[in-house]
Amino acid sequence: GAVVSQHPSRVICKSGTSVKIECRSLDFQATTMFWYRQFPKQSLMLMATSNEGSKATYEQGVEKDKFLINHASLTLSTLTVTSAHPEDSSFYICSARDPYSPRGLETQYFGPGTRLLVL
Amino acid sequence: DAKTTQPPSMDCAEGRAANLPCNHSTISGNEYVYWYRQIHSQGPQYIIHGLKNNETNEMASLIITEDRKSSTLILPHATLRDTAVYYCIVSIQGAQKLVFGQGTRLTINP
Repeated sequence: GAVVSQHPSRVICKSGTSVKIECRSLDFQATTMFWYRQFPKQSLMLMATSNEGSKATYEQGVEKDKFLINHASLTLSTLTVTSAHPEDSSFYICSARDPYSPRGLETQYFGPGTRLLVL
Repeated sequence: DAKTTQPPSMDCAEGRAANLPCNHSTISGNEYVYWYRQIHSQGPQYIIHGLKNNETNEMASLIITEDRKSSTLILPHATLRDTAVYYCIVSIQGAQKLVFGQGTRLTINP
């Protein structure tokens, strides 16, 4: 099946620093990738939709200048949390859509997640 | 907003069938029903999806009522590794977005 990886799996940083999270589709080309955030004991919340070669589309309430998304290739999207603060501590999960998946257009393949802790 | 309603939690004995219900009374004719699950501290995993016919794969079966207002995910022989939060999502093809509700926390007991 399709595999999506994330790096790093866990990161601890100081308040005010920036953190970059990578999301890669390993065995397929993903024209669209998605970034989610999940707080403890809560569901996943979509932050933004990332299309290769174009600007990301952010969900309402998500600051695009704080959460920078770059989807420079068909297998890589990055999320940069700029000037991170303790309230940004969360579980960040990416997913990728395989346009040729036999399971259908809306099947998303998720990465293992990145746990961010801002001190 | 999520368009589905699921019980917050369920328990099932190991080896028995786990039946997870989902209500989606406002589902449109072109919306599919998707099921994902999330094991603790991992990314969600695709399980199955369907439009109106019942579906079965190596992981589970999906039973959709004739009026399509509800569905049931069936794990035929639950194991301890099936303990997870199960999400039922409705989405049209091409919409791209998957909106996650609160899901059902399924606990498989030995």
